[in-house]
Amino acid sequence: DTGVSQDPRHKITKRGQNVTFRCDPISEHNRLYWYRQTLGQGPEFLTYFQNEAQLEKSRLLSDRFSAERPKGSFSTLEIQRTEQGDSAMYLCASSPGTGFSLYEQYFGPGTRLTVT
Amino acid sequence: AQTVTQSQPEMSVQEAETVTLSCTYDTSESNYYLFWYKQPPSRQMILVIRQEAYKQQNATENRFSVNFQKAAKSFSLKISDSQLGDTAMYFCYFGNEKLTFGTGTRLTIIP
Repeated sequence: DTGVSQDPRHKITKRGQNVTFRCDPISEHNRLYWYRQTLGQGPEFLTYFQNEAQLEKSRLLSDRFSAERPKGSFSTLEIQRTEQGDSAMYLCASSPGTGFSLYEQYFGPGTRLTVT
Repeated sequence: AQTVTQSQPEMSVQEAETVTLSCTYDTSESNYYLFWYKQPPSRQMILVIRQEAYKQQNATENRFSVNFQKAAKSFSLKISDSQLGDTAMYFCYFGNEKLTFGTGTRLTIIP
C-alpha cells in the first residue's frame, strides 16, 4: 500500500504530557498537510510543507504545537503540555504539489488523540 | 475572509435515488479549484470529484457530478443511483492557499 500512513492510530495521554505523531506521505509528493478534526466538523488546517519548508501555519497552531519535515519526506507533529481541548483527530494529507494536483490531497487514516 | 458553506447538515435518501448536496463559497480569488471529499464512518477521507474554476464544463465521475456556477459561487454535488456505500460525511473543499473545508453534510442512504 503506497497511501499516506500515520502513526500511531490512537493515542491516549494525560493532560500535561507531550505527544508526537508521525506522517509518511505518498512518495514523491512534495506537499504535506496537517489538519485537526473534531467530531462532526470539517478538517481545520494547521500547517503545510512544501518539501522541507513550512510554508503556512494556522493561528490554531499555538506555541505548544510544532511540526517538522526535516528531509522533505515524513513529518512529525508534536503537541507539548497537552490540554483536554487538544482531543481530536489529527489528519495528515499529501499532494503532488504541481499544477492542478497542488491542492488535490490524499489523506491518511488519522491519529485520534484523547487527553484525559 | 474565505468561507465555504454547506447548508445541509444532514440528508437521507432511499437507495437508488438521486441526491444533491449544496456548497457555496465566498472568495475574491479568480483562479481556484474545488473538490468534494467523502469520509465514511470511521474511515479516511477520500477524494470524490474535482473542478477547475476556469473550466465551465461540469466535472463528472461515474455516478457523481457537479453543478458549478462560478458567478453564483455555488458548487453542488449530485449523486445518482445512490448506494449504501455512499453513506458518509461529505465535505466541500476550496483549494487554494487558504485550504478551506466546509462543515460537512452527513448523508445516509436508506435501504
